[in-house]
Amino acid sequence: KAGVTQTPRYLIKTRGQQVTLSCSPISGHRSVSWYQQTPGQGLQFLFEYFSETQRNKGNFPGRFSGRQFSNSRSEMNVSTLELGDSALYLCASSLAGGGADTQYFGPGTRLTVL
Amino acid sequence: SQQGEEDPQALSIQEGENATMNCSYKTSINNLQWYRQNSGRGLVHLILIRSNEREKHSGRLRVTLDTSKKSSSLLITASRAADTASYFCATERGAGSYQLTFGKGTKLSVIP
Repeated sequence: KAGVTQTPRYLIKTRGQQVTLSCSPISGHRSVSWYQQTPGQGLQFLFEYFSETQRNKGNFPGRFSGRQFSNSRSEMNVSTLELGDSALYLCASSLAGGGADTQYFGPGTRLTVL
Repeated sequence: SQQGEEDPQALSIQEGENATMNCSYKTSINNLQWYRQNSGRGLVHLILIRSNEREKHSGRLRVTLDTSKKSSSLLITASRAADTASYFCATERGAGSYQLTFGKGTKLSVIP
């Protein structure tokens, strides 16, 4: 069974631009979560989707948004990029989501904002 | 804010030795999970322990959970150079929140 895939793996943008990251979950998984990882703040929850519905959102500004498609693939978008958005963005998929379910993580997208 | 806090922040041991990492958390939990991350890569799930379990084993891994102290420990026995990675504990912030909260991790270095 193929694992979680994320595209692109690396991205360089400049301040003010916007970016879209993609995540394809493991086949059969309906929950997709997104996390931001930085050296200073560690791993922080962005949002979680299940069957195209956002069930929870972390404490991030509205510039961070996401969506999930009917095939469970998910995208996240960051508009008006700031230097502080430079981070490793990880997505995770699971059958049902939440802490009772093993989360399978993708390799991440490394975003650098110049 | 971080729910879990691991200690030590960094640990360096010789190959063959045991490594113990600790995690403390603040609120009641249903489950606690441990993950490993090799440098700059995705997280790999290691083990999940439920709140009604006190100890769980998986290969060379042994996890304990003390809900009265709100703490967990991860023991890696007979460590190998390939165990070099960062280790994180994660808890769900409230049942049904679908949000895992991670600690800042323990960076383990196993010297061959």
